[in-house]
Amino acid sequence: AQSVAQPEDQVNVAEGNPLTVKCTYSVSGNPYLFWYVQYPNRGLQFLLKYITGDNLVKGSYGFEAEFNKSQTSFHLKKPSALVSDSALYFCAVRAQSPSNTGNQFYFGTGTSLTVIP
Amino acid sequence: GAGVSQSPSNKVTEKGKDVELRCDPISGHTALYWYRQSLGQGLEFLIYFQGNSAPDKSGLPSDRFSAERTGGSVSTLTIQRTQQEDSAVYLCASSLSSGKGEQYFGPGTRLTVT
Repeated sequence: AQSVAQPEDQVNVAEGNPLTVKCTYSVSGNPYLFWYVQYPNRGLQFLLKYITGDNLVKGSYGFEAEFNKSQTSFHLKKPSALVSDSALYFCAVRAQSPSNTGNQFYFGTGTSLTVIP
Repeated sequence: GAGVSQSPSNKVTEKGKDVELRCDPISGHTALYWYRQSLGQGLEFLIYFQGNSAPDKSGLPSDRFSAERTGGSVSTLTIQRTQQEDSAVYLCASSLSSGKGEQYFGPGTRLTVT
């Protein structure tokens, strides 16, 4: 079955420290991978994506993510966390539908990031 | 407007009633998506449109759910004979193209079935 997993419901990190939010996926074919962020009382916002090319992609607000095909992972990282980074983060993947009639989009269950001052 | 808009923002309905949720995508976006977000859960993909057609409807939870898109723009998600388990936030998103394009999300419609 095609899926996305975010193994950590909650991540806490001290301000100024590096942060990592983990994501693994299971899809057939080449995945298109995305990270989205949901700030409190706001809609989901796009952060970054991997389609092809360089495995390290950079996105908004200083975030980056590394595509690792052998480990089927796409972890989100930031070298130095800010209190304002506290939010809910979702990993997502586009996969071909089982019937090959179109695309399907799978989101993880989300990881709540808290940056402690 | 500049972003994706959804209406109503909140809807309370009685079990068994039909509801219709509306999504206005960003102008020029050919792809439109519907998701459901339940409390403590991730986003559940329901359906997407490329233009006016939906290539794959297998994500819809039951035959009580249907969606349509007309004129390559506005989309409606209809839930017939609502059940309490339908209570959730229904999110709409649009993108320039399906697959590669990042999705822009609306604020959602919070549906409560009593």
